[in-house]
Amino acid sequence: SYELTQPPSMSVSPGQTASITCSGDDLGDRYTSWYQQKPGQSPVVVIYHNNRRPSGISERFSGSSSGNTATLTISATQALDEADYYCQARDSTTVVFGGGTKLSVL
Amino acid sequence: QVQLVESGGGLVKPGGSLRLSCGASGFILSDYYMTWIRQAPGKGLEWISYITSSSHTTYYADSVKGRFTISRDNAKNSVYLQMNSLRAEDTALYYCARWVGTTTSYWFDPWGQGTLVTVSS
Repeated sequence: SYELTQPPSMSVSPGQTASITCSGDDLGDRYTSWYQQKPGQSPVVVIYHNNRRPSGISERFSGSSSGNTATLTISATQALDEADYYCQARDSTTVVFGGGTKLSVL
Repeated sequence: QVQLVESGGGLVKPGGSLRLSCGASGFILSDYYMTWIRQAPGKGLEWISYITSSSHTTYYADSVKGRFTISRDNAKNSVYLQMNSLRAEDTALYYCARWVGTTTSYWFDPWGQGTLVTVSS
């Protein structure tokens, strides 16, 4: 079965750029979406179709994908960006999520 | 506004059954695929099932195949998840979400608030 791999955790200083990676075989040939989940809340999509941002999502969020890796980039990171982030892609007729990355803003 | 509200969760013994419901409002349910996703306590997201807009096709994760059944009633603006032969490892918060996009490029938006299922003796 298809797997997506994310680093379990990462930390970033306020104002710096955070880059969260998601790896999977030929992931660049698929479309990746990213979700943000804050404690006690439901996930919210922040990037879809690799690099598109839904209305209402800060311009500080951007996405890219190439080869076996998709990347979610958060620029000028703020304390409110502290959350779990999950990548998601398609595998034939099923859906796959990455294991999630806990982003700490320290 | 677009909203999804899950219900039907609770405490059930191993081997038991439960039926979850997801009420949709603010959009035409029949225009969209719908999906169920769960999250075990302290764990990540796990996709478990989706259903096409006309109910013609359903798909399941291997972990629930043969035990869970997804269905929908567009006239009642509702999506359901019938869960049978429940196991301790099915304990999770179950989310309903709207599938947006195509079959090759899609995302889930919005998500409901979730309903908690606990399987324990």
